[in-house]
Amino acid sequence: AQSVSQHNHHVILSEAASLELGCNYSYGGTVNLFWYVQYPGQHLQLLLKYFSGDPLVKGIKGFEAEFIKSKFSFNLRKPSVQWSDTAEYFCAPDRDDNIIFGKGTRLHILP
Amino acid sequence: GAGVSQSPSNKVTEKGKDVELRCDPISGHTALYWYRQRLGQGLEFLIYFQGNSAPDKSGLPSDRFSAERTGESVSTLTIQRTQQEDSAVYLCASSLVVTPDEQFFGPGTRLTVL
Repeated sequence: AQSVSQHNHHVILSEAASLELGCNYSYGGTVNLFWYVQYPGQHLQLLLKYFSGDPLVKGIKGFEAEFIKSKFSFNLRKPSVQWSDTAEYFCAPDRDDNIIFGKGTRLHILP
Repeated sequence: GAGVSQSPSNKVTEKGKDVELRCDPISGHTALYWYRQRLGQGLEFLIYFQGNSAPDKSGLPSDRFSAERTGESVSTLTIQRTQQEDSAVYLCASSLVVTPDEQFFGPGTRLTVL
């Protein structure tokens, strides 16, 4: 069965620290990849997406993610986090029009 | 333009009652999705509608769950004979076309079954 794994359920960092949130999925073939974010009190929204081309994609607010096909991974990164990055982050691979959301990672940034 | 809206925002019901949740997608979006998010869990796909095609109901957990959509507008998710395990946030999303397009999410309906 297709599955997606987000390794970190809860991450606490200080401002200016670097961030990497892991995401691995279980299936091969052509996969479209998304990261969604939910800020406190707000709706889920798209952070970035990868369909094809350059495996390093950039999203909003300085986030980026790298697609590594051989590792079935699509990790989310940010070189220097801000307090406003406090949110829950969901990885969501999509294959054959079947999108699966991970369980999410709660990121808490200490001011 | 308005985003995706859902109503009610909160619903508390007694076990065994039926509930109906409503979603108004973004105008012009042909695809509409329903998800369930239980506490501490990811988004669990329930059903999606794409234009006039037959909906993909593969995620509905039981026959107590059903959903309808009128054309490319409002959708309702109905849960019959609610159980305590149905307690969750029910999220609706719409997209211009069926995935892998970006989905726009509503605020959700928090359902509590006592």
